Amino acid sequence: GAGVSQSPSNKVTEKGKDVELRCDPISGHTALYWYRQRLGQGLEFLIYFQGNSAPDKSGLPSDRFSAERTGESVSTLTIQRTQQEDSAVYLCASSWTSGYLDTQYFGPGTRLTVL
Amino acid sequence: AQTVTQSQPEMSVQEAETVTLSCTYDTSESDYYLFWYKQPPSRQMILVIRQEAYKQQNATENRFSVNFQKAAKSFSLKISDSQLGDAAMYFCAYIEGRDDKIIFGKGTRLHILP
Repeated sequence: GAGVSQSPSNKVTEKGKDVELRCDPISGHTALYWYRQRLGQGLEFLIYFQGNSAPDKSGLPSDRFSAERTGESVSTLTIQRTQQEDSAVYLCASSWTSGYLDTQYFGPGTRLTVL
Repeated sequence: AQTVTQSQPEMSVQEAETVTLSCTYDTSESDYYLFWYKQPPSRQMILVIRQEAYKQQNATENRFSVNFQKAAKSFSLKISDSQLGDAAMYFCAYIEGRDDKIIFGKGTRLHILP
C-alpha cells in the first residue's frame, strides 16, 4: 500500500505567521512520530503518538509548537508565530505498534523556510 | 529514486563482541553523504557516524566504524566491544550533496546480550 505522505513538500512563510504541516501515516499504524532536521544536523524528536494514549510531547522545543492526531489517522503539526530558526525539514514517521521498537516508515518530509 | 535498504530487521550480539549492520543504497548521484543514526528509548535520533561519498577512507568514531564500498553501494556499520548501552534501533540514511532531505532505511533493532 501507500507509504507515509506529508504535505506540503515545501513551505515558505514569513516570520510571525502560523503554519500547519500534515502527515498521513500508513493505514493501520498506531504510532506516529514527528522529527525536525535542521540543515547539517541530525534529527530531533518532537512528539510521539501511540494509539489513543496521551502523546509524548517531551521533544517540542517551545509552546509555539503543537500537534494533533485524530485517532490513528492524520496528524497535523502546527507552528505558531514562526521564527527563522524554525526553518528545517520536518519528518513524520509511523509504525505498527510499540513505539521505537517497531520499524518506522518515514515520509518524504516538509521543507519549511521562514523568511 | 534513491533508496536505502537495511536487510536485517533485528540482530543480537553478546556483550563485548563485534557486530556488523548492513546497509545498501541505490543512487545515480556521485555527490552524497551516508549516515548511521541510533535511536534509543528516548526516541532522539543520535548521529553515530557520517561518510562523505568522495572520501575513500572509511569513517571511524571510537568503537564505531564503517565499511564503505562505493562501487557496490554498500555502507555497513561495525560496532566493536559491544556495550549494553548500544542496544537501540539503528538507521542507515542517505542525503544528496545538493539536497537537505534525508532518506532513511527501515532500521535494524540491535539487542545486546549480557
